This record gives sequence, structure tokens and C-alpha cells, in this order.
Amino acid sequence: DAKTTQPPSMDCAEGRAANLPCNHSTISGNEYVYWYRQIHSQGPQYIIHGLKNNETNEMASLIITEDRKSSTLILPHATLRDTAVYYCIVRAKNSGNTPLVFGKGTRLSVIA
Amino acid sequence: KAGVTQTPRYLIKTRGQQVTLSCSPISGHRSVSWYQQTPGQGLQFLFEYFSETQRNKGNFPGRFSGRQFSNSRSEMNVSTLELGDSALYLCASRPLGAIDSPLHFGNGTRLTVT
Repeated sequence: DAKTTQPPSMDCAEGRAANLPCNHSTISGNEYVYWYRQIHSQGPQYIIHGLKNNETNEMASLIITEDRKSSTLILPHATLRDTAVYYCIVRAKNSGNTPLVFGKGTRLSVIA
Repeated sequence: KAGVTQTPRYLIKTRGQQVTLSCSPISGHRSVSWYQQTPGQGLQFLFEYFSETQRNKGNFPGRFSGRQFSNSRSEMNVSTLELGDSALYLCASRPLGAIDSPLHFGNGTRLTVT
């Protein structure tokens, strides 16, 4: 699976949009981009995933560049409860039982 | 639907002892994976089970083992505990069939070895 690069930390003011970048320049055509987050003392929580089109759900939006080499997770109105470590993971279709590989992620701090 | 349930939530054991952790997947999910999380190594894959068979294994010693029951519930066992086994152990489940189905994690069992 392609490796990802994320900034180690980011701050965001409460109520503003949080834009978390992820670089995956070696991604191949059959690899999805997944985002998870982990709030302190909890297990990772699935947020969203996509292949090449932008995706939106009740939690967030995922914007994938046309060349698919990078993506941005957008939390439209960040709250204090969104403070967490956010992981961007690239994983091939039909990975079967290939495990998820977590990097160090981005620690997002939402500030009142 | 209830989420992934892990028991116990906290556990304290002594070096040399063994421990068994339990995981109940989301109803209908037949695959169960286990991960270890430590401050130094982050999240590391231990193993995955479905249809009561281990399908993949991470780079951990044989002291770490697991099993899955016919109802998809899973247990993992660590024998001869070492101080370095202190960690958050996470279980995750997913349905089979969909090629891009995400993992859903429980809140883990925090194991402290003294």
C-alpha cells in the first residue's frame, strides 16, 4: 500500500473549518484513501473514504486531487469534540485480509 | 446497531502471567482484527480472523495468539507477559463481501503489566 505523509499537528478555531492535508504521491489506481480519527482513550473511528471522486457524509468531506496524489479531509464546523489524531491511510481495492497500516497521523487541536 | 465491544476495559497483570481479551464484533460482521497500540510503536497489526481461521498475522512473537468462535466473537491471548506488552489492545470488525468496507474499532482493553 502507498505511504502517506501528514503534518504532525494542526490547530483550528472552534466553529471554523478544519482542513487536514494528506500526501500520497505514490498512490496507484486501485487504492482507496481512508480517514480515521482517534479521540484520546478511544479506538480509531472511521470517518470517510474515497477512490477518486470527492465524497461527503455527515461527518466530513474528502477532497481528492485530480492526479490523486493528495487529499484533504474537511471538517466544516470544528467543535472541541473534534480534537483527535487523524489518520490518512491508503489501501488497495481487493486488499482482502491485508491489514490497515497506520502512520503517526495529524494531531488536531480545536481551540475555543 | 451496537458497536464493537471489548472486555475488560482495563486490566493489570504481573510479568509472567497470561491474559485473555475478548471482542464481540458488530452484528453481521464476520471478520475480526486485533491491533496493539503503544506510544512508541503506534498502531500495529496483530492478526485477523474470519470463518474461525486466522487469515493474516503481524510481526509478533508466538506468545500472542487468538481465536474466533462460530458466532464471530474473538479472543486474544498473551502468555508469559512482559513489561513491554503494556498497551492498548484494539479489536476491529468488518463485514465480508464489500471490497472497500472500512474497519470499525472498539474502544480497546488497556493492559498494564507490572
